[in-house]
Amino acid sequence: AQKITQTQPGMFVQEKEAVTLDCTYDTSDQSYGLFWYKQPSSGEMIFLIYQGSYDEQNATEGRYSLNFQKARKSANLVISASQLGDSAMYFCAMREGDQAGTALIFGKGTTLSVSS
Amino acid sequence: DADVTQTPRNRITKTGKRIMLECSQTKGHDRMYWYRQDPGLGLQLIYYSFDVKDINKGEISDGYSVSRQAQAKFSLSLESAIPNQTALYFCATSVGGGITDTQYFGPGTRLTVL
Repeated sequence: AQKITQTQPGMFVQEKEAVTLDCTYDTSDQSYGLFWYKQPSSGEMIFLIYQGSYDEQNATEGRYSLNFQKARKSANLVISASQLGDSAMYFCAMREGDQAGTALIFGKGTTLSVSS
Repeated sequence: DADVTQTPRNRITKTGKRIMLECSQTKGHDRMYWYRQDPGLGLQLIYYSFDVKDINKGEISDGYSVSRQAQAKFSLSLESAIPNQTALYFCATSVGGGITDTQYFGPGTRLTVL
């Protein structure tokens, strides 16, 4: 079974609108971390936001927020007030357990296209 | 200057050739990683290193080897390149410390094996 599932291959949004990118995860660990990365067409991977399994508040970083629903095992990324520069591939990733340095498990990504 | 650099950024090579991809970081992180990304897919871990004396295989290590020459340098080698190793390769670093350990990625190396 996939550990990270991103069901939306592509999403389209207009400038200034909000958009939600879905991510569900599968783990039996109580301690885990969830990450979102952005990959523009230039190829680099840019860290956006992090949510820990024990965090009670949803993480926020500027226009990015993470809608964390632990019981549903979902960690959706919300981008408010979309900009043209937000057009990119977005990856959800998870680290299981407390062991430092263990790998991130990535989903297959969602392509976001922002139009004017 | 970028905190995590990769050289070369692009490389075209032929089947059977030995290739080395290099990664350097100025972040002072102990942990370094090599991932590959195939078109339309997420990233898969090849190798990771907790420190200079610690090297670990990831989920797709076959056909690859690594060398951690120093805290700041981590190289990935393809001993005998094959076409299905054509991919985008990323180096990443992290400081360590449990589930909050964020990995920071280099710009990637696009490798084509003909």
